[in-house]
Amino acid sequence: GAVVSQHPSRVICKSGTSVKIECRSLDFQATTMFWYRQFPKQSLMLMATSNEGSKATYEQGVEKDKFLINHASLTLSTLTVTSAHPEDSSFYICSARLGFGAFFGQGTRLTVV
Amino acid sequence: AQTVTQSQPEMSVQEAETVTLSCTYDTSESDYYLFWYKQPPSRQMILVIRQEAYKQQNATENRFSVNFQKAAKSFSLKISDSQLGDAAMYFCAYVAYSGGGADGLTFGKGTHLIIQP
Repeated sequence: GAVVSQHPSRVICKSGTSVKIECRSLDFQATTMFWYRQFPKQSLMLMATSNEGSKATYEQGVEKDKFLINHASLTLSTLTVTSAHPEDSSFYICSARLGFGAFFGQGTRLTVV
Repeated sequence: AQTVTQSQPEMSVQEAETVTLSCTYDTSESDYYLFWYKQPPSRQMILVIRQEAYKQQNATENRFSVNFQKAAKSFSLKISDSQLGDAAMYFCAYVAYSGGGADGLTFGKGTHLIIQP
């Protein structure tokens, strides 16, 4: 199956700093990638859709200025959590569609202290 | 808007037995895809099985099979000969075909499957 790689797998940052998470499709081109957030013992919630060469589409309630998304190439999307606060601590997962399949990165556990 | 409902927060089954996880969904679309994903403690999302709505035949992958009832909007997962490695969170997911690959998946809340040795 298709491979999606996400880095870093874990990151701890200080409150007020920014953190960048990368999502790469390794063996296919992805014009669209997706960013999800998962709280402990809960489901995945779609945050935003990342579109190569254009602006991301954010789900209702997701702060655009807090979660900056850049999709500069057909194989790379980045999510930057700006001015992180403890409430941003969560598990973030990226995904890319190929055909009617959906492939997921390994996820990033963000802890803001 | 489409919704996916998993009514069983937790299920427990004896090793080697069979278990069925339930999933219902709501949509006005006629063409769509349905998925079951497994999320072990590592939290990596692993595709278990997928079904195209236009196909009447139920999908099967080794010990995993689905019972897809389009009219009832039901998509249950049957795990036969349960193994300890099957213990995980299982998520049912939906995406409409009309999005052309531009839509993210909608997930149910998940079912925590426990395998009793």
